[in-house]
Amino acid sequence: AQSVTQLGSHVSVSEGALVLLRCNYSSSVPPYLFWYVQYPNQGLQLLLKYTSAATLVKGINGFEAEFKKSETSFHLTKPSAHMSDAAEYFCAVSDRAGYALNFGKGTSLLVTP
Amino acid sequence: GAGVSQSPRYKVAKRGQDVALRCDPISGHVSLFWYQQALGQGPEFLTYFQNEAQLDKSGLPSDRFFAERPEGSVSTLKIQRTQQEDSAVYLCASSLVGTSGSTGELFFGEGSRLTVL
Repeated sequence: AQSVTQLGSHVSVSEGALVLLRCNYSSSVPPYLFWYVQYPNQGLQLLLKYTSAATLVKGINGFEAEFKKSETSFHLTKPSAHMSDAAEYFCAVSDRAGYALNFGKGTSLLVTP
Repeated sequence: GAGVSQSPRYKVAKRGQDVALRCDPISGHVSLFWYQQALGQGPEFLTYFQNEAQLDKSGLPSDRFFAERPEGSVSTLKIQRTQQEDSAVYLCASSLVGTSGSTGELFFGEGSRLTVL
């Protein structure tokens, strides 16, 4: 079964600093990988997705992620954190387009002034 | 509608009561998913519909949980004889899965927060 592991349940960065949220996946087939963001009391919003095209994926709000098959990783980065980036971030994997996603436990991002 | 709509947004139930949670997916979306999100956790898959057919219900935690989508659009998740451990946010998502070019993105509603006292 496909699964993801998010390293670090809480990450704190200063405003303007690099954001790095880690995700490693386990899949027996080429995976579909996603990053979602969740603000308090809201649903999940897609940040970006990898579907076997370019390994460097650019998403909304300045986020990007790089698919590294050799490391089974799909880490999320943003060069400069903004206060509005404070939220819960979830990595998710599926082995087929459009089937159920398996989510990680999430990483809570705190941005300090 | 413009997005996935869920109701009620908040529900408080006494232990033993039955509850029904509604999901109105994006118009034209073939696939519909229900997830359960406990406090501080990631969403956990419950069940999946393609049109009116329930193709996977392996994530439903017990036979007290039941979902339906009779006309292939609106879906209802029903929980009978609620228990405290059922307290969670129930998320509904829809997708164009099953149509040409779909890459599997799920569009989520804002969720229904269930609190069982």
